[in-house]
Amino acid sequence: QVELQQSGPGLLKPSGTLSLTCAVSGASMSSYWWSWVRQPPGKGLEWLGEISPSGTRGHNPSLRSRVTMSIDKSDNRFSLSLTSVTAADTAVYYCATSHFDYWSQGTLVTVSS
Amino acid sequence: QTVMTQEPSLTVSPGGTVTLTCASSTGAVTSGYSPSWFQQKPGQPPRALIYSTTDRHSWTPARFSGSLLGGKAALTLSGAQPEDEADYYCLVSYRASYVFGTGTKVTVL
Repeated sequence: QVELQQSGPGLLKPSGTLSLTCAVSGASMSSYWWSWVRQPPGKGLEWLGEISPSGTRGHNPSLRSRVTMSIDKSDNRFSLSLTSVTAADTAVYYCATSHFDYWSQGTLVTVSS
Repeated sequence: QTVMTQEPSLTVSPGGTVTLTCASSTGAVTSGYSPSWFQQKPGQPPRALIYSTTDRHSWTPARFSGSLLGGKAALTLSGAQPEDEADYYCLVSYRASYVFGTGTKVTVL
């Protein structure tokens, strides 16, 4: 059973950088690509990007310039950074396999001064 | 980037059948888009139901089925149960990225 556990701050100030990490258990990180998805309160889902075991990345074109992803297979975790955040980036952020069969519980990140 | 549009809301009677669709702003949805479907209940992460247009996950009840219908991806719920009341999202693979649909709120009433 694959389990994904997120960590990272829940409150950010505008113009700051959002940083989240997803720890993987129950699966080899070499078995999947790994994705990030977010959901603003009361709204729909938005795919942010994905990273392969070798570090190849895929991005949502609308966020490409602000998103950075990394992977640490030795430590079974992958990470997301989103720069220059605004209130519009307030959302529940999820990590998931890129088969989207396993998801984290999500972290609410609020951007507010 | 394509926009995937779903019905905002649908209502189905217990035991009834409802079909949700997922339309692309750039043309017909084909199997090459590899459409998937997800169910999301309040306060929970999405749960995958269907992948690769028609394939169920091991945990997906048989009353859920996926197809292509009139140039759209479709999810049919046959024999709706009260626990099927939820938001449903499609997801497609498009030009090296993924795009979620706008979501459909299904009410079982």
